[in-house]
Amino acid sequence: DTEVTQTPKHLVMGMTNKKSLKCEQHMGHRAMYWYKQKAKKPPELMFVYSYEKLSINESVPSRFSPECPNSSLLNLHLHALQPEDSALYLCASSQERTEAFFGQGTRLTVV
Amino acid sequence: EDQVTQSPEALRLQEGESSSLNCSYTVSGLRGLFWYRQDPGKGPEFLFTLYSAGEEKEKERLKATLTKKESFLHITAPKPEDSATYLCAASGSARQLTFGSGTQLTVLP
Repeated sequence: DTEVTQTPKHLVMGMTNKKSLKCEQHMGHRAMYWYKQKAKKPPELMFVYSYEKLSINESVPSRFSPECPNSSLLNLHLHALQPEDSALYLCASSQERTEAFFGQGTRLTVV
Repeated sequence: EDQVTQSPEALRLQEGESSSLNCSYTVSGLRGLFWYRQDPGKGPEFLFTLYSAGEEKEKERLKATLTKKESFLHITAPKPEDSATYLCAASGSARQLTFGSGTQLTVLP
């Protein structure tokens, strides 16, 4: 099983809303990632969790708040987003020195 | 700084017309070179991992190769269902994936 599951698939939120994106994997991977992807661009790394600890934060604004409750789950809490934050948000997981497996993404629209 | 450059940006092929996509990389301490396929609105789908120069991997109509500076994704006798964006990514000593900007492949029937 090489599946990374993301929910919801689509999300529309206002600029004053608070919402969360969820990601789950059962491959035993110890690294989990959040990426942001704009149309016709490659994925941009946002956060990396390694062994449930935040190891990389790519200078992401504080309106994005990651959380790793356990080794299988990754959340991304959203608050006071801007329309320019609209994008495809991708979760991925991997083992050391191996390929990352991506979820199908959450299409986020901020209105 | 790690860099990955893909060419061409877009490629249109007739069904059955074989071709290659290029991925040039400058990565400190290459740990792996990865190829992904991405359909519109979907997450990248893993295709291949290459670890060292001279390595080759095959899957159906796709074959990936690696040299010390480049990787190629060869597509033999493509079909319309091979149409997608193909992403190359490299992992170096910083352990993060550096993506190229992708090649958008269209295979016409």
